[in-house]
Amino acid sequence: GQSLEQPSEVTAVEGAIVQINCTYQTSGFYGLSWYQQHDGGAPTFLSYNALDGLEETGRFSSFLSRSDSYGYLLLQELQMKDSASYFCAVRAGNYGQNFVFGPGTRLSVLP
Amino acid sequence: DGGITQSPKYLFRKEGQNVTLSCEQNLNHDAMYWYRQDPGQGLRLIYYSQIVNDFQKGDIAEGYSVSREKKESFPLTVTSAQKNPTAFYLCASQPGQGMNTGELFFGEGSRLTVL
Repeated sequence: GQSLEQPSEVTAVEGAIVQINCTYQTSGFYGLSWYQQHDGGAPTFLSYNALDGLEETGRFSSFLSRSDSYGYLLLQELQMKDSASYFCAVRAGNYGQNFVFGPGTRLSVLP
Repeated sequence: DGGITQSPKYLFRKEGQNVTLSCEQNLNHDAMYWYRQDPGQGLRLIYYSQIVNDFQKGDIAEGYSVSREKKESFPLTVTSAQKNPTAFYLCASQPGQGMNTGELFFGEGSRLTVL
């Protein structure tokens, strides 16, 4: 089977840095993605790591360690609009055709 | 503009009725997916299709059916056999096998409520 774990909630203040961790157990691992979802909306893609290391996209960075089955999303210079749920998702299966999502982390950014 | 269109956005159904949710994409993507999301939960895979006229069950396929007669379309039918169908349903697409990308493109979702 496949499973992912994330913290259920994280709270931080504007301007701060927050890290959301994700651990996974899966077969046929191809990569780890991160998505943001605001209440009532659809998930939007943030980043994808297929190889070990850090990927940076503006205020957001994502890290992957395949040997540790672990990744994280780093959000810097937090803004109120960053309050949302964040999901990690593994691309898995025999041909990378499956996308399995974690339970999500609800981030609350306080003024 | 290219994208994924889901309809209807909101749907109310009486118990015992089947209902079909539409998903159309003009991204020329091979792979399409249906996910279910319950309040405060992650996304769970219902069905996916890698190619026209072929589809595979996901983790929670019981009580659902799909078809993939055209590349652009992947409708989901929620049957009366689905015991607890009230949920937010999300359709997504992806370029397909061999593409080294982890990005799923999502529609805006359909919110189904059973009365």
